[in-house]
Amino acid sequence: DAGITQSPRYKITETGRQVTLMCHQTWSHSYMFWYRQDLGHGLRLIYYSAAADITDKGEVPDGYVVSRSKTENFPLTLESATRSQTSVYFCASSQSGGIEAFFGQGTRLTVV
Amino acid sequence: DAKTTQPPSMDCAEGRAANLPCNHSTISGNEYVYWYRQIHSQGPQYIIHGLKNNETNEMASLIITEDRKSSTLILPHATLRDTAVYYCIVRSDGNKLVFGAGTILRVKS
Repeated sequence: DAGITQSPRYKITETGRQVTLMCHQTWSHSYMFWYRQDLGHGLRLIYYSAAADITDKGEVPDGYVVSRSKTENFPLTLESATRSQTSVYFCASSQSGGIEAFFGQGTRLTVV
Repeated sequence: DAKTTQPPSMDCAEGRAANLPCNHSTISGNEYVYWYRQIHSQGPQYIIHGLKNNETNEMASLIITEDRKSSTLILPHATLRDTAVYYCIVRSDGNKLVFGAGTILRVKS
């Protein structure tokens, strides 16, 4: 299906475990973004990527790792999950910097 | 990117126009004004964007002042389904998309 998809939609993991959130888009958009949204708060940018093999930090990158080996995929890895990383994570993509961004449905991550 | 200031919340009667203001007094010449909204628990949805001229699409109108220091998003006939958090973002081409606190719009019957 065309669009942007995130997986899994829900994830429960234990403190200290590594977990990877997947994001896949079918439009070949050059830009991709990862955000987190804590309950009752706005979206905070974690990392973004302007093209394959180009990534840059956002507002809250600590504790996260990203890669972009292929244009369509932008996985987000929590190397050692902490309870403070419990959040809803949104991925987005846009064709270029000046065009609208499309968001995925979100992944609700709980770290216990 | 320039910072934006929005009121934390607004109410609007169903069927009336909703006018959401945004101040961006430090905007630079190559920065666009974007509006997104987020309906409860969903991913943000793009509404409209502009650089200098007023813009209109099927969802809304965007009015940008001549000095570009502020803008207004207009939903011409608000419905209950327009209840959401509305974000005004200023961003230059090729740069990251950073969200602020936004305005909670409550449309009431």
